[in-house]
Amino acid sequence: QKEVEQDPGPLSVPEGAIVSLNCTYSNSAFQYFMWYRQYSRKGPELLMYTYSSGNKEDGRFTAQVDKSSKYISLFIRDSQPSDSATYLCAMIVNYGGATNKLIFGTGTLLAVQP
Amino acid sequence: DAGVTQSPTHLIKTRGQQVTLRCSPKSGHDTVSWYQQALGQGPQFIFQYYEEEERQRGNFPDRFSGHQFPNYSSELNVNALLLGDSALYLCASSLGQGSPLHFGNGTRLTVT
Repeated sequence: QKEVEQDPGPLSVPEGAIVSLNCTYSNSAFQYFMWYRQYSRKGPELLMYTYSSGNKEDGRFTAQVDKSSKYISLFIRDSQPSDSATYLCAMIVNYGGATNKLIFGTGTLLAVQP
Repeated sequence: DAGVTQSPTHLIKTRGQQVTLRCSPKSGHDTVSWYQQALGQGPQFIFQYYEEEERQRGNFPDRFSGHQFPNYSSELNVNALLLGDSALYLCASSLGQGSPLHFGNGTRLTVT
């Protein structure tokens, strides 16, 4: 079993839809959770960064972490064609410690149709 | 403010050859991490350099080695290339070991 599971998609939605992207994980020691966006032929770009459980909102993006269920989500409101990309969840046990490395999901390919 | 820059952008090598990839971190960052991203997969951690030393290593063989220079730039070396080494190699930088990573656009390595 992988430490981080993510549905690879592809996920196709019409412009303006609300998008929900999810990851589950097995290591309860993860404390920091991130979402990266990766356009084709580009490197991952950090979108959201959260610590422990709870919600965090930034413009059209909302990240949720439920540590009790080992489940994280990214919601995109009013989706735009420019949001079409691969979305990677990533998590880390402890910055600066012995387990200082990001563990990524496989990524979900999102296509927003105009 | 320059972000993370990597060179070259693309590279084609033959099985058994050796390759060196280069990375300049984002201005003000002192820590460099390397990741391998196979097609359709998430990035996999190779190793991290801080203060010119390898601080942590992922599950990669000794054929993968690296170096960090006093100006914080870094190199990734891969010896005895295998077909399975074909991937996008990503460099990420951060300020110290306790802050989010910023990625470059990667080097696409093809081994034939």
